[in-house]
Amino acid sequence: QKEVEQNSGPLSVPEGAIASLNCTYSDRVSQSFFWYRQYSGKSPELIMSIYSNGDKEDGRFTAQLNKASQYVSLLIRDSQPSDSATYLCAVNGRGKLIFGQGTELSVKP
Amino acid sequence: GAVVSQHPSRVICKSGTSVKIECRSLDFQATTMFWYRQFPKQSLMLMATSNEGSKATYEQGVEKDKFLINHASLTLSTLTVTSAHPEDSSFYICSARPGQDLSLGYTFGSGTRLTVV
Repeated sequence: QKEVEQNSGPLSVPEGAIASLNCTYSDRVSQSFFWYRQYSGKSPELIMSIYSNGDKEDGRFTAQLNKASQYVSLLIRDSQPSDSATYLCAVNGRGKLIFGQGTELSVKP
Repeated sequence: GAVVSQHPSRVICKSGTSVKIECRSLDFQATTMFWYRQFPKQSLMLMATSNEGSKATYEQGVEKDKFLINHASLTLSTLTVTSAHPEDSSFYICSARPGQDLSLGYTFGSGTRLTVV
């Protein structure tokens, strides 16, 4: 079992729709969770961090964490073509950041 | 915000030669830095954790004699790919956490695209 798992996609949504990205992790001692966005050929950039159960909202982005189910999600509202990228879920539990394989999101105009 | 600078951004080298990649934290001190490798269409794989003033910790399957890491100061870590071969061609990215709080996101350098010919 991989430490961090994501649906690889691609996930295609129309402009203006809600994109939903999911992630599960295996290590129960994990303490903090991150979503990164990576454009092709570029390094990852941090979008959201979350470490308490529940929802955390920042603009069009909402991160959701359920530690009992070992599940993290990212919702992107009013998706824009510029949101087209690979979204990486990352988990920090033992002093290092482990990434999922990423979900490729395509927002169609 | 916290900035991590990585150089060079691109390098092409001949098979058998060595390449050094630098990673600097510009506005914070980083006792720990992390080195990742990313192959096309794949995720970031942690190679090693670089610790200031001590030996690096390598992930399983990463050859420590091939990927030499030096973290001589609180703002600089280097990765040297020794005797590079075409299969070492990849995107290498360093990162650091600007503080001890585990809830802080890691800041990434811009990455180094290594091509071994």
